[in-house]
Amino acid sequence: GIQVEQSPPDLILQEGANSTLRCNFSDSVNNLQWFHQNPWGQLINLFYIPSGTKQNGRLSATTVATERYSLLYISSSQTTDSGVYFCAVELSGGSYIPTFGRGTSLIVHP
Amino acid sequence: GAVVSQHPSRVICKSGTSVKIECRSLDFQATTMFWYRQFPKKSLMLMATSNEGSKATYEQGVEKDKFLINHASLTLSTLTVTSAHPEDSSFYICSARDAPRTRKWSGYTFGSGTRLTVV
Repeated sequence: GIQVEQSPPDLILQEGANSTLRCNFSDSVNNLQWFHQNPWGQLINLFYIPSGTKQNGRLSATTVATERYSLLYISSSQTTDSGVYFCAVELSGGSYIPTFGRGTSLIVHP
Repeated sequence: GAVVSQHPSRVICKSGTSVKIECRSLDFQATTMFWYRQFPKKSLMLMATSNEGSKATYEQGVEKDKFLINHASLTLSTLTVTSAHPEDSSFYICSARDAPRTRKWSGYTFGSGTRLTVV
């Protein structure tokens, strides 16, 4: 099956710092989403981004489908950004079942 | 946006009893719902895919007689953990996708999860 690898696995930042999270995938995908799982377990959809670039406030994401990677940028990080960031992809021509990466655990210190 | 409601958020049950978890799509019809299990500090593990009106498709290694999934309507799917044991303690999350895929589709929506503790 498709492999989804996220890096780094863990990240510790000081409030105000910027960061880049990466998601590599091993095959062509129809869809890609970035999620944030907060400390209470809720998964929040950040971006649906099968290709191109999107921005939402301090967050932005870029997917280069031809090179099989996506990047999530967090600028001016805040303590509320802490949690785990997952990317999930759907294989092209597949059964519309999302495959998750292992996530990047982010801790932002005040 | 699309909202998925999952209940209960927490449940503690005695070993040997059964627990039912509900997942409802509040403002859209979900022809497909997914059930995941998540262990501490781990990623989401897909347990099964349920389609409205048909039997669920279970992932390899998931006991279908233990984790009963019912998707009786376009807005409700349930997961019943039967004869629960302490090793079933985990965080269970559902997600839903509307159909057909429209230009407004913005991805999967997740419930808030259920933390099950079996004592």
